[in-house]
Amino acid sequence: DQQVKQNSPSLSVQEGRISILNCDYTNSMFDYFLWYKKYPAEGPTFLISISSIKDKNEDGRFTVFLNKSAKHLSLHIVPSQPGDSAVYFCAASARNSGGSNYKLTFGKGTLLTVNP
Amino acid sequence: DAGVIQSPRHEVTEMGQEVTLRCKPISGHNSLFWYRQTMMRGLELLIYFNNNVPIDDSGMPEDRFSAKMPNASFSTLKIQPSEPRDSAVYFCASTRRAGNQPQHFGDGTRLSIL
Repeated sequence: DQQVKQNSPSLSVQEGRISILNCDYTNSMFDYFLWYKKYPAEGPTFLISISSIKDKNEDGRFTVFLNKSAKHLSLHIVPSQPGDSAVYFCAASARNSGGSNYKLTFGKGTLLTVNP
Repeated sequence: DAGVIQSPRHEVTEMGQEVTLRCKPISGHNSLFWYRQTMMRGLELLIYFNNNVPIDDSGMPEDRFSAKMPNASFSTLKIQPSEPRDSAVYFCASTRRAGNQPQHFGDGTRLSIL
C-alpha cells in the first residue's frame, strides 16, 4: 500500500513557465514533508521541506504548498529552467513514539522535462 | 564540503557471492541510513543507525542482509549470499540528527547480480 503517491510519472513544460509537481499521501500522521531532485547516476538532492504546522514554504524559485485536509502537497518551480530537468521525489515522515521522525516514505517520482 | 561517499559505484557479481557496499557519511552527521531503490518498490529504507547503533532494521529484507557501523565515519551493507533479485541501486544517506532534518544522499551503488 503506497502511502505517498506521485500520480504523474512525467511532466513537460516550457522554459520560463511554471512547473507544478503534485503529491498525495494517505497517512494522517505524517507531519514533515520534503522534496528531492535526482539527476541520472546521482543520489537524490534535498530541495525544500515543510512542516505540517505550515501551509507554504518558499525558497527562491521553489515553493511547496501543503493542504492537510486534502492530504496533498505540491511543488511549484517558477520560472522553470532546462537545468531543472530531473526526477522529483516527494517524501514524508511521521513522528514516532520516541519523538523522532527519521523514517522517510518516498513517492515513486515524477520526471520533469523543461524544454528550451 | 565532502558529501556522503559510497563505494563501489557499480558492482557486478554472480549469484551466491558475498557483496559488501561501503559508505562514509558527512563528517559531524550522527544518523546514517541505507536505502534500496528498485523500479517496483521505489526508494525504501533498509536500516537506520544513530550514533553508530542500529535503531531500526525493520526494512532489511532477509537474514542475508546485514549492516554495521563500526565508527562514526564508516558503514557497510553486506549481502551474503547474493541473489538476482537483490539487483538494485543502494543509497546511503546521513543527517546531523534524525527528525525534521533533511537527509543527504550519496550517489549510490548500482548492484547487478547475475
